[in-house]
Amino acid sequence: QVQLQQSGAELAKPGSSVRISCKTSGYTFTSYAMYWIKQTAGQALEWTGYIGPGGGDTKYNEKFKGKATLTVDKSSSTAYMQLSSLTPVDTAVYYCARGGFGAFAYWGQGTLVTVSS
Amino acid sequence: EIVLTQSPTTMAASPGEKVTLTCRASSSVNYMYWYQQKSGTSPKLWIYDTSKLASGVPNRFSGSGSGTSYSLTISSMETEDTATYYCQQGRSYPLTFGSGTKLEIK
Repeated sequence: QVQLQQSGAELAKPGSSVRISCKTSGYTFTSYAMYWIKQTAGQALEWTGYIGPGGGDTKYNEKFKGKATLTVDKSSSTAYMQLSSLTPVDTAVYYCARGGFGAFAYWGQGTLVTVSS
Repeated sequence: EIVLTQSPTTMAASPGEKVTLTCRASSSVNYMYWYQQKSGTSPKLWIYDTSKLASGVPNRFSGSGSGTSYSLTISSMETEDTATYYCQQGRSYPLTFGSGTKLEIK
């Protein structure tokens, strides 16, 4: 079965960076795009960006350009999102989600990023 | 950017009651997608391509709509349907979500 296992919660200081991982299994990693979605405490969902099958291309929400950087490691079927220049506004749960059916078909369990001094 | 407006924001329904959640888009979209999120868990794809049920979704759920107006209907509310439901459009970037409808059982 398709599984997306995300890395654990992060506590980061303002101005620092974090990298979240999303290790996949149960499907051919290079056949599907990976999406990243932010969910704030108020429950709003925001699409951050996607990276194409096998890392071939990336597209970012303009709001997250310069903030998020998406990469993949095909050898370990793992996707990554780095968040830089963190501020308290970046505090949220971040999900990876595999594409499918034209939608976000399978989701990781989420990674809580807390930005606080 | 296509803005999705969901209504109502919150509602409560009695067991067996018919429930309709609405999602309106600021511009026409080809399809609508719906996700169910229960407290403390990740969202799950619930309906895709406007009216197709994702795997494992009970057939009391249905989706419909076109253009700028879409809906998710539960024919007979059950306790397990308590959750927040989000709509999402894939017509243009940035991909966007509605703000959600929180559905509770009376």
